[in-house]
Amino acid sequence: GQQVMQIPQYQHVQEGEDFTTYCNSSTTLSNIQWYKQRPGGHPVFLIQLVKSGEVKKQKRLTFQFGEAKKNSSLHITATQTTDVGTYFCAGTHSGAGSYQLTFGKGTKLSVIP
Amino acid sequence: NAGVTQTPKFRILKIGQSMTLQCTQDMNHNYMYWYRQDPGMGLKLIYYSVGAGITDKGEVPNGYNVSRSTTEDFPLRLELAAPSQTSVYFCASRALGTGELFFGEGSRLTVL
Repeated sequence: GQQVMQIPQYQHVQEGEDFTTYCNSSTTLSNIQWYKQRPGGHPVFLIQLVKSGEVKKQKRLTFQFGEAKKNSSLHITATQTTDVGTYFCAGTHSGAGSYQLTFGKGTKLSVIP
Repeated sequence: NAGVTQTPKFRILKIGQSMTLQCTQDMNHNYMYWYRQDPGMGLKLIYYSVGAGITDKGEVPNGYNVSRSTTEDFPLRLELAAPSQTSVYFCASRALGTGELFFGEGSRLTVL
């Protein structure tokens, strides 16, 4: 089946350091979404990217969608302890039904105060 | 607004038992999904529905069944539970405009 690869699997950072997680697909995505899951919680929607080369910002979070629409990244500037959790990307493969989202395995972020 | 409600939150089953995980949403979303989440493995799609009366298999449907008799409800049935079905199960509904998935709080199932 179609997959979305996400790296790294784990990231430990000192509070105040930056953090980046990457998603890659071997096939073109029609869109990509990002979710955050706090420990013991459920995934919560952060954003959706649709356009080639799109960049969106939410305060300290910057989301990018690659020009070829096969990769995406989430960058957090100056991490805080409230950023702790697992970040997932989820892509819709072009040609697939628009209702099917394929999730990456997630990047678990730990922030050392 | 309740959003997506899942019950039960926790359940322990014996091998071979059956049970139904309930999911209800009050946002009038047509699309609904069942995912399972195993440690370090992300979310895998079990079944999905694009509207009442329409369901389809996802990536890992074996051992599960679903029905969608109303827009609001999307129950997941486990027949003959096996230890491999020990997992956290999430139900979600999808907003048509933004595509955002709204998740329930999850149901943690252990099969012993």
